Formats: sequence, C-alpha cells, structure tokens
Amino acid sequence: QVQLEESGPGLVKPSQTLSLTCSVSGGSVINGAHYWSWIRQHPVRGLEWIGYIHHDGSTYYNPSLKSRITMSIDTSKNQFSLNLTSVTAADTALYYCARDRVGPHHDAFDMWGQGTMVIASS
Amino acid sequence: DMQMTQSPSSLSASVGDRVTITCQASQDIRNSLNWYQQRPGKAPKLLIYDASKLETGVPSRFSGSGSGTDYTFTISSLRPEDIATYYCQQYDNLPWTFGQGTKVEIQ
Repeated sequence: QVQLEESGPGLVKPSQTLSLTCSVSGGSVINGAHYWSWIRQHPVRGLEWIGYIHHDGSTYYNPSLKSRITMSIDTSKNQFSLNLTSVTAADTALYYCARDRVGPHHDAFDMWGQGTMVIASS
Repeated sequence: DMQMTQSPSSLSASVGDRVTITCQASQDIRNSLNWYQQRPGKAPKLLIYDASKLETGVPSRFSGSGSGTDYTFTISSLRPEDIATYYCQQYDNLPWTFGQGTKVEIQ
C-alpha cells in the first residue's frame, strides 16, 4: 500500500521560502502512470491544486502561483519537494502531497498524505 | 480557470436517505470529473473518477453521473460514516480545479 507523508516547518516568516518534502513509501515515484502533486486547503478558499511533477522532471505549475513555485523530485530517496518563495499570510494553509494517477483521458488524485499545516507569520 | 460550482453547500439528512449533490462546470468538461470525500480531520479520498466509475474498495452506495457541464453525485442510502464534505474536481482544463465542497450532516 503506497503511503505519502509530508514534512517541513509548520511556521514560515513572511517573505521567506516555504519548503516541503513528500516521502513516498510502498511504491516508487518512478512510474510512468503517476504524477506527483501538491494541493493546499485554505479554511475559506477551499482546495487549490498547486501543480505536479513527473519522475522525468517535467512539471506543471498553477499559473496563480507559477512565479513563486519550484518542484523537484529525488528518485534515489523516493521523495518530491515543493518550494514556494515570498510567502505571505495568504499562503497559510494545510498542504497535501498526492499521487496523480494518469491514463488516457483520465487523471485522479488517488493517494494523499495526511497533510501538514503551514502558517505564514512573523 | 474552470469554475466548478457545487450545490448545496451543506445538507442535513437522515440515515437511510438518498443524498444528491450537483456540480456544474463553467464549460463542457467531457466527463473529466472526480468526486472526493473528506472526513473531519482527514485527507480527501477518491470515490468516483471519470464522472461515473467507482474507485476500487468504495461502497456501491456511492455513484456518479452526468455529462457536459452538469454532474451528480449520489449516496443511495446515507450511513453515519458518510458524514463528511464532498468535493468535485475537474481535469479537462489545466489547472485542475475543485468545487467549494458540500458538507453532509446527519439530521
């Protein structure tokens, strides 16, 4: 059974960079049928897909965040990561990593981490 | 971005009731729709994919239907463990987007 687990600081100062890592166990990030996503959940604004990365390094970033996002993947550690720069209070949210199952005209987040709360505050 | 509008935003029903949630896309999403269940304090869980296909291991009381811009999620007979917020999500147009959620409570 594949499991995902987010890790990273729970508190980030405004203007600094938020860095999160997702560790994948029970399966490999090297799987052509899967992309690896970050999703965040705001108390009021709901669920927002941040973007995804494939093991070949290809990425898609949500245009609303594109200028501030970098995603990376470490196949040797079976992990993928998110960096979000110039954090503001609006980035305070519960951050999830998720497996994105992809096929012919098919795409679904079929496995999720438990989520990690990030608060942007001085 | 594709706008996904769910209704109602919340509902209260009795155990055994049939519950229906709707999701409307701002344009045709060609059945590119998933439904998720989020229990309190938990991560979302995939229930329905490709608008009407039941994810492996999900009880058959959950179902999905629809086409074009209008989609429906149904719980045929509500159980206490179904208390959760349900979300639709489209994957026809990047970036993928979610509905605002429907909170289901027991009456």
